[in-house]
Order: sequence, then C-alpha cells, then structure tokens
Amino acid sequence: GAGVSQSPSNKVTEKGKDVELRCDPISGHTALYWYRQSLGQGLEFLIYFQGNSAPDKSGLPSDRFSAERTGGSVSTLTIQRTQQEDSAVYLCASSLEGGSSYNEQFFGPGTRLTVL
Amino acid sequence: AQKVTQAQTEISVVEKEDVTLDCVYETRDTTYYLFWYKQPPSGELVFLIRRNSFDEQNEISGRYSWNFQKSTSSFNFTITASQVVDSAVYFCALSEGAAAGNKLTFGGGTRVLVKP
Repeated sequence: GAGVSQSPSNKVTEKGKDVELRCDPISGHTALYWYRQSLGQGLEFLIYFQGNSAPDKSGLPSDRFSAERTGGSVSTLTIQRTQQEDSAVYLCASSLEGGSSYNEQFFGPGTRLTVL
Repeated sequence: AQKVTQAQTEISVVEKEDVTLDCVYETRDTTYYLFWYKQPPSGELVFLIRRNSFDEQNEISGRYSWNFQKSTSSFNFTITASQVVDSAVYFCALSEGAAAGNKLTFGGGTRVLVKP
C-alpha cells in the first residue's frame, strides 16, 4: 500500500507570505504527527492528532503555526507570515494508534520550505 | 523533560568495518520506548528498531544489533560488516509512552559514511 505522502515536495516563498503544507497519512492510521527538521534545531516535534481528540499543539513554535486534520485523514500545516527561520524540512508521520507506543511512526518524504 | 544525545556527529568507515553508534537518553518516566531511524540521502526517515524500557534483552537482526543498558541510560546501535548503502544519518529517538502521545524526541543524528 501507499506510504505517507506530502505535498508540495519543495516550496519557496517570500517572507511574510502564508504557506500550506499537506500530509496524506497511511490509510487506517489514526495518529498523525508533524515534525520539523532544521540545521539549527535538529528534528523537533510540532503537533500530534489522535482520532477525534483535541490535538497536542505543545511543539508549535509560535501562534503563526497551526494545523488541522479533516475527517481524521488528511492534515494541513499552515504557517502564516513566514519568517526566514521557518525554513526547514517539514515531516509528517502516521501510526496505527497513538495511544500505544508500540506502534512505530512511518514518515513521509517531507516538504522543504525555503523562505527568502 | 526528556533528552536524547548522540555525541558522534559523523563516522567514516571503510566497507566491511563494523560501526557502533552511541545514544544516551534522559527521562523521568519508568516506562518509555527507544527507537533508531535511518535517513538516507533521499531524505525519508526509515524505522529500524524499537525497544521497551522493561526489556533489556539485546538482539541481533541481520547486520543490525543493539545494546540497551538502563543502568547507563544508553541505547547503542551496531552495524556489522558495513556496506556503502548504509551511508545515511542515523537518529536515536525516545518516546515516553501513550500519556505523552507517543511523540518522539530525537537526538541530533550521526552521519555515517561508508567508503568502498
């Protein structure tokens, strides 16, 4: 079956513009995660969705970042008024059940965001 | 708060040599989970192995083996008889369980370069 897919693969934007990044998790996976990989900060957790529960937003770096997950499947990460420090690779992952740590997370190929 | 440290930033070996990657973690939880992920040049994170805090049995899987020692909070990973295709960045990660949403805390990664 298909793995986690993300779009676009690359996004170049100008400082101050809004961007939307999309993630399609593996079918049947109820848990969905967003991470960010940057040179300065390494790999860091951003936000977590589990089924219909309220998302865990504890990793979002500022209120310019938001995410939603529609119908328990596709997720969109939105960054408003982008800044140069937002430049990074944004990774999405999904797993069968976020409530059990036995379920490994499967990662997508990422979206490379460059803010000029 | 949890923390994962990979002291080695880069390791270079010649093909067929063994490679051991160090990982040291910090957590206040008594139940936690440790992972190793591989990130090849293509960029996608690939799950390799998982270990639970209550199971210190070390195992070998093909050319991979790992050494989990709770007494020293270490979870080292060894690639035996390395091959060029093993060239990648390897990440150690920690999950504090379902209560923490299974989100992963990553180490800084170790870049492995296997030369022919």
